[in-house]
Order: sequence, then C-alpha cells, then structure tokens
Amino acid sequence: SQQGEEDPQALSIQEGENATMNCSYKTSINNLQWYRQNSGRGLVHLILIRSNEREKHSGRLRVTLDTSKKSSSLLITASRAADTASYFCATALSLLSNFGNEKLTFGTGTRLTIIP
Amino acid sequence: DGGITQSPKYLFRKEGQNVTLSCEQNLNHDAMYWYRQDPGQGLRLIYYSHIVNDFQKGDIAEGYSVSREKKESFPLTVTSAQKNPTAFYLCASSGGRVNQPQHFGDGTRLSIL
Repeated sequence: SQQGEEDPQALSIQEGENATMNCSYKTSINNLQWYRQNSGRGLVHLILIRSNEREKHSGRLRVTLDTSKKSSSLLITASRAADTASYFCATALSLLSNFGNEKLTFGTGTRLTIIP
Repeated sequence: DGGITQSPKYLFRKEGQNVTLSCEQNLNHDAMYWYRQDPGQGLRLIYYSHIVNDFQKGDIAEGYSVSREKKESFPLTVTSAQKNPTAFYLCASSGGRVNQPQHFGDGTRLSIL
C-alpha cells in the first residue's frame, strides 16, 4: 500500500500565485522528501526534511512536517511556467540497521499546471 | 558532470524475450535502486543494492533480475516471466546512509511489441 498520499491529485493556478500540495503518511519515518518530475523524465530531488524538523526552506520552496498528524506540505511561492510538473512526496524508513540505508515509498503525486 | 545514465531511452520487447536495461552512475554512490512507474502512479521498488555483489528484492521483484558486479553499474533484466512489463523504469542511487536523497536517471520506457 502507498505510504504517502498527495492531495490534491491535480492543481492548476495562474503564474505568480502560490501552490500548496499536501502529503499524508501512515507510519513513523526517518525523513520525508519531495521530488519533481517533468513529463517523461526522471525525478529531481527538491528538499528533505528530517523527522525532528518542522519547517525547511529552499529558494521558493517551503516544506513543513507535522509528525503528530503524519502530514507534510510543500509550498511553491511566486509560481512560474517552468514549475509545471508532477510533485511526489516520499517517506523514508530504515532498511537494515547495519547498513543505515533507507527505503523510499512514494505517493501517487500532484500534477501541477501553471497557466501563463 | 556526475550523474546517472540509463539506456536505452525506449525499448521494445517481444513475447517470451528477456531484455536488459542499463544503469550507470559516476557519483561514487554505494546504493542503487530500480523502480517501476505506471501511468498516473508513484514509483514502486523492484530491487536495491547497498554494496557491490549484494542486492535485495523490493516490493515487486517477481519477473525481474539484477546484478551488481561493479559499483558503477546495476543492470535490470526484465524476464519473460514478467507478464505486464510495459512501464517506465527508473534507476536511482544514493550515498547509502540515512537522511540522504536519491538521484535519478532519466528512465527507460519499455513497451511490448
């Protein structure tokens, strides 16, 4: 089953407006990551927020994490046409304690369209 | 530039045929992963490898096989046992420690002839 579920599934806004996407998950996590995917391309990492962090910024991106509600949000401010893409949240859990590696479980994504 | 290279970009498989997807990274990453993405869906983990000569099944390993003979390379074979192979396949790598992002290639789109 999907660990992360994004909401909404699709979002269309005017250029210059802010876009907010939400992600909910079910179990305790090491961190939560947001990725962008342009059509027919691979995923690009945007931001990682650890389980003990509540908010993180990177340029026009702001991510919040509420572990008590098991939810996260991604805010893109002052949107641009180039922000048109699908956005995925991914929750990270430890795979094997001796390796310290993590397994990512992805949601189904939010398709964001910026209207020029 | 450092990155992950997947080839080919498009691949067609005939019935009963095995096909191999290539994934090469020059990021000096220990961990590598293969994911499958179906239309309108998220990514599902097929196989992963933490270190050379070791790999583990992910959530949907049936009908797939991998090898990890070199740190830089993690090829995926889609066997004839995979009855619904049409999908977008993505390879990723990471440093192999907690709280590190994964870096993705540009994918291979596999279709059935």
